[in-house]
Formats: sequence, C-alpha cells, structure tokens
Amino acid sequence: DSGVTQTPKHLITATGQRVTLRCSPRSGDLSVYWYQQSLDQGLQFLIQYYNGEERAKGNILERFSAQQFPDLHSELNLSSLELGDSALYFCASSPRDWLMNEQFFGPGTRLTVL
Amino acid sequence: GESVGLHLPTLSVQEGDNSIINCAYSNSASDYFIWYKQESGKGPQFIIDIRSNMDKRQGQRVTVLLNKTVKHLSLQIAATQPGDSAVYFCAENNYGQNFVFGPGTRLSVLP
Repeated sequence: DSGVTQTPKHLITATGQRVTLRCSPRSGDLSVYWYQQSLDQGLQFLIQYYNGEERAKGNILERFSAQQFPDLHSELNLSSLELGDSALYFCASSPRDWLMNEQFFGPGTRLTVL
Repeated sequence: GESVGLHLPTLSVQEGDNSIINCAYSNSASDYFIWYKQESGKGPQFIIDIRSNMDKRQGQRVTVLLNKTVKHLSLQIAATQPGDSAVYFCAENNYGQNFVFGPGTRLSVLP
C-alpha cells in the first residue's frame, strides 16, 4: 500500500458526460501527479501540481483539467468524454517538487466510457 | 517528439537467473531516468532511478545502467524471483518538463 488513495475505483459513464476523479496523496507529500494508462497509448503523464500550483504539463487534453486543493488532495476533471478516454487513471504523490523524485502511485481509477 | 522505447516486449527467465530489461530513449537532453514495476491490477512502483551524470546505480538486487552515447538504459535484476513477474517501464525526464514512458516489458519468471 503506497499510502495514496484514489476514488472511485471504477467508473462507468457515457460519451459526452463529465466525471471527476479524486486523489489523496500520502501524508506530507506536496506534489500530486496524474497519469493515464490505456492499451494503445501506454502510460502517459498528464499534469503535476505542487502545493496547489500547476508545475508541469504533459499530454493532457483541453477537455481535461485538474486542481489541487489547500488540503493537498487533487481532482482530475474529464469532460465531453469520448470512447477513447476509457483508461486507467493513476495519481501519484511525492514529498518534493518535480525533478529527480520518487513517486508513489495510487491503485488507479478505471474509467469506462460507453 | 520525445519517445522512449523497449527492445523486447516480453522476457521469460528461469527463477534464479539474472534478468536484463533494455530501453532505448530518443532525447539526448533527458537528464533523469526511472524504472517502474507494475504488477497486475496495481499502480506502478518505483524501482530505481539514475541521473544523467551517472553510468550505473545499484539497489537491492537491481542495477540500472545508462549509456548516453547510444541512448540506452537497462535494468538488471539479480537472482530473479517469482515476485519479480510484472511489467517494467522505463521513463525519461527532460529537465522536469515531462515524463515519457516506454511501452513496457513483461517479465515472466519460470519455475
């Protein structure tokens, strides 16, 4: 158990809908990272927040957004969902900012878009 | 664009043997590399990392080698155990701007 929690574990929704995925980092960790893992795209970094501020952006679509709240939990919002958004979404956390940093991954949220 | 790839998508080794998982990266400016292990149904787990100013780094039963000349990264696992069966990803980072992951290599440990 990494100490990172993600809810929900599974999510099934329809195309065009909007969902919110939630992540609670390990106690004391200030950085939160979001990743998408799909069969065709593999594991892709989406975005990182550190202490409430966006720090790095990867392959995140404009339909997706994230934020980190004062209590350090983070939410990933996915809107206008498409079939291709079906994937595992992982959150990870680390104590410090981006570079040269071990990240601890949560168990993931499996999103199915029908 | 940046890309990270693996030479072998699957690798089967006998229990007790050493495993070597390879990774080729394309961005010569990448300065930090990580190996992750992902077991079925779980999130990736950090194994070992290496900075670009190093050629080798050792952990417990694992060694990462970095050859910047040919942009190659490898993960060596000594005395491979059944619990090592998983998918292994390499990832490269370019000055903290992005992490790019390889497609993964599945390691199967045979009894």
